[in-house]
Amino acid sequence: QSVLTQPPSVSGTPGQRVIISCSGSSSNIGQKPVNWFQQVPGTAPKLLAYKDHQRPSGVPDRFSGSKAGTSASLAISGLQSEDEADYYCASWDVNLNAWVFGGGTKVTVL
Amino acid sequence: EVQLLESGGDLVRPGGSLRLSCAGSGFTFSNFAMGWVRQAPGKGLEWVSGLNGNGAFTFYIPSVRGRFTIFRDNPKNTVYLQMNSLRVDDTAVYFCVKYTETSSLGDRWGQGTLVTVSS
Repeated sequence: QSVLTQPPSVSGTPGQRVIISCSGSSSNIGQKPVNWFQQVPGTAPKLLAYKDHQRPSGVPDRFSGSKAGTSASLAISGLQSEDEADYYCASWDVNLNAWVFGGGTKVTVL
Repeated sequence: EVQLLESGGDLVRPGGSLRLSCAGSGFTFSNFAMGWVRQAPGKGLEWVSGLNGNGAFTFYIPSVRGRFTIFRDNPKNTVYLQMNSLRVDDTAVYFCVKYTETSSLGDRWGQGTLVTVSS
C-alpha cells in the first residue's frame, strides 16, 4: 500500500488531454513539493516535473504539474503514442523522514 | 553530460551481503545529494536511502534501517549502498539517483543494477 494514491490506469486518444491524480496527506504533499516521473517499461525513470510544477529542460510543455492542498496532478496535453508509460508522483514525508511514491499510473494511448 | 553508472548487483543468498556502487560524472559530485531507489519485479518505485553532499546526513526507509548503509567517497565521485542481512523481499532493480541543486529527488537516474536474493 503506497503512501501516495494514484489511479492504476488512465487512457486517452491521440491529441486528447489526460490528468493523473496523486493524493497524499498533511505530512507530505500538504507541506512539501511534489515531483513527477515517467518510466517506459525496462528503462530508468525520468524527471518530468519538480517542486510541483517546474519542468526540467527538455521536457515538453505538454506536461504540466499542479498542486492544491494535499493533492497533486499531472496533465498531459496533446497526448502522443510515445507518452505510453508509467507515471509516478513523489514527495518528502516529514513524519517518515523519507521520500514516498505513489503506486504508479499506466497511461495507455488508444 | 551527467552520467550515473551503477555496479555490484548480483544473486545472493538470504542473510548475505552486497555492496552497490554508483559512479557519477559530468557534474560537481560533492555539491549534490544522492540516493537509491529500488523497484521490485513488476512493482512500483520505492525510495530506499539518501545522503547529503558531504555525507553527514543519511536517511533510510524503516525496512532497511540497521541493515543498509549509504555512504560516499567524493574524491572518487562515487556513492555506495552496503546491504547486509539481505532478505528475499530486497530483490529489486536498484537505481542510483542524483538530486537537484535544491535537494529535490531524481533529476538524473542510473540504468539500474539487479539484486536477487534467493536460496
